[in-house]
Amino acid sequence: DQQVKQNSPSLSVQEGRISILNCDYTNSMFDYFLWYKKYPAEGPTFLISISSIKDKNEDGRFTVFLNKSAKHLSLHIVPSQPGDSAVYFCAATDPLGAGKLIFGQGTTLQVKP
Amino acid sequence: NAGVMQNPRHLVRRRGQEARLRCSPMKGHSHVYWYRQLPEEGLKFMVYLQKENIIDESGMPKERFSAEFPKEGPSILRIQQVVRGDSAAYFCASSPSGSNQPQHFGDGTRLSIL
Repeated sequence: DQQVKQNSPSLSVQEGRISILNCDYTNSMFDYFLWYKKYPAEGPTFLISISSIKDKNEDGRFTVFLNKSAKHLSLHIVPSQPGDSAVYFCAATDPLGAGKLIFGQGTTLQVKP
Repeated sequence: NAGVMQNPRHLVRRRGQEARLRCSPMKGHSHVYWYRQLPEEGLKFMVYLQKENIIDESGMPKERFSAEFPKEGPSILRIQQVVRGDSAAYFCASSPSGSNQPQHFGDGTRLSIL
């Protein structure tokens, strides 16, 4: 049972344009959400997070939006750069789960020069 | 660099051998998590430990797998009698507290079973 889903395996965007990565979840108890970026042969790198009491959080080129009624969050990257090309994972924490992260399957972003 | 350190980066074992994976958390972090990533999949939680205690092992296979985080030294994930299906990337993460804080990951150990 996949509680966090990233339905787009891949996304290709032109340099300078906006990248929008989407994530859906099924458990309304989730209260904290995170996005990680991962390059091949490296560990995931934390990008940005959002608490369920907010609907938006911004950090530089990265903005995360949370729609609790739709159980949906998205990551916007503006402007996209070739160095952003990586696999992006959405994750959620279950307050009953002692802080463990539940990950989506990942979306591979390719930013073309 | 005070990041999460994992070693070895690559580990090759034959079927039936034991694999030991080590993780030193970031300085000041007392919470350690282990995750496994199978090919073409996302990361799956295995176990959550604090110093000398296992807090949540709900993601650990019931047999052959064990984890510890002793008072001194790194956290160890131990796999006994490895099988081909254990081939995966194993990631360790740490955080200063157990909830609503970003977890910071090491670069993983890639385990290959011959």
